[in-house]
Amino acid sequence: DQQVKQNSPSLSVQEGRISILNCDYTNSMFDYFLWYKKYPAEGPTFLISISSIKDKNEDGRFTVFLNKSAKHLSLHIVPSQPGDSAVYFCAASGGNEKLTFGTGTRLTIIP
Amino acid sequence: NAGVTQTPKFRILKIGQSMTLQCAQDMNHNYMYWYRQDPGMGLKLIYYSVGAGITDKGEVPNGYNVSRSTTEDFPLRLELAAPSQTSVYFCASRGTGFNQPQHFGDGTRLSIL
Repeated sequence: DQQVKQNSPSLSVQEGRISILNCDYTNSMFDYFLWYKKYPAEGPTFLISISSIKDKNEDGRFTVFLNKSAKHLSLHIVPSQPGDSAVYFCAASGGNEKLTFGTGTRLTIIP
Repeated sequence: NAGVTQTPKFRILKIGQSMTLQCAQDMNHNYMYWYRQDPGMGLKLIYYSVGAGITDKGEVPNGYNVSRSTTEDFPLRLELAAPSQTSVYFCASRGTGFNQPQHFGDGTRLSIL
């Protein structure tokens, strides 16, 4: 039972355009959501998070949107840069110490 | 500030051998975690700890053991290595504040042959 789903295994975007990565969840108890970025041979790096009391959080080029009724969140990167090429993981937590991760989306920025 | 340090980075084991994956953090974090990542999959939680002397099972604990005698260290033990344990293992830690993110080490790539 996959509670956090990233249905797009890969995404290619032209440099300078917007990248939109999507994530769906099924557990209505989840109240904190995070995005991690992972380069090859490195550990995941925390990117941005959002609490369920908000519907948007921005940090520079990165914005996360949360639609609780649809159980859907998305990560927008604008403008996309070559260094953004990585695997992005969505993760969720439900008021406890543990995170549930999606399977990841490989983002490739085309110069 | 080193953050979360994992050793070794790579290891090849024979079936039935045992080994300990080391994890240390220097951020005085109470919470520590062990995950495995198989190809094309997300991270699966093996074990976690909310403080020294306290550990609990995650989603996939079979075949593994942990201990937490200090705040800094959280080793993961494989007693009888099996091919199904071939994976990349990540250790993470986080602080006790509300909604703190987990910080990850760079992983140990383990092959069981």
